[in-house]
Amino acid sequence: EPEVTQTPSHQVTQMGQEVILRCVPISNHLYFYWYRQILGQKVEFLVSFYNNEISEKSEIFDDQFSVERPDGSNFTLKIRSTKLEDSAMYFCASSELDTLSHEQFFGPGTRLTVL
Amino acid sequence: DAKTTQPTSMDCAEGRAANLPCNHSTISGNEYVYWYRQIHSQGPQYIIHGLKNNETNEMASLIITEDRKSSTLILPHATLRDTAVYYCIVRVGGSQGNLIFGKGTKLSVKP
Repeated sequence: EPEVTQTPSHQVTQMGQEVILRCVPISNHLYFYWYRQILGQKVEFLVSFYNNEISEKSEIFDDQFSVERPDGSNFTLKIRSTKLEDSAMYFCASSELDTLSHEQFFGPGTRLTVL
Repeated sequence: DAKTTQPTSMDCAEGRAANLPCNHSTISGNEYVYWYRQIHSQGPQYIIHGLKNNETNEMASLIITEDRKSSTLILPHATLRDTAVYYCIVRVGGSQGNLIFGKGTKLSVKP
């Protein structure tokens, strides 16, 4: 069964450093998302991406964040200068372009720890 | 998107049916009810969705009241692997667009 994959599974970085989290969405999906979950808190939407541009973003997704689809398979989230409060699980998700489709498929997540 | 209310936690005996309620009294006519679950910090997993009619798939059943102000997710024979946080989400239909997760219901299935 096709699945969303994410790398790395765990990333440790120093405050102020740049990190890039990588995702490979399901191959025929055209909508891509990033969500995050701070330990013990709710899953929060960050950004959605369609047709090579951001379609929606939350107030969390400030100028420190960017997304890119550098090739036909990867979808990345970059945090330019990490802060302690960026420590969280980051989930990538993808979905089809299909009016009958209702499901978003989530990856296993990347645990980001900022020291 | 309409707001939902779910109990914080529930217990269920293994092999018994788990019935998870959700209130969504402000749901609009074009909003669907979705259920996702999250098993111990894994990525959320879609379970089922519905608009008006009751729905059933290989994972669960969804019962929506006639006035659509509440719904119940039913896991017919809960197993220990069903221990998870279950999220009821109300939104306009389709797979695109962000999901707004609440705190959900922590279901503990006990032997």
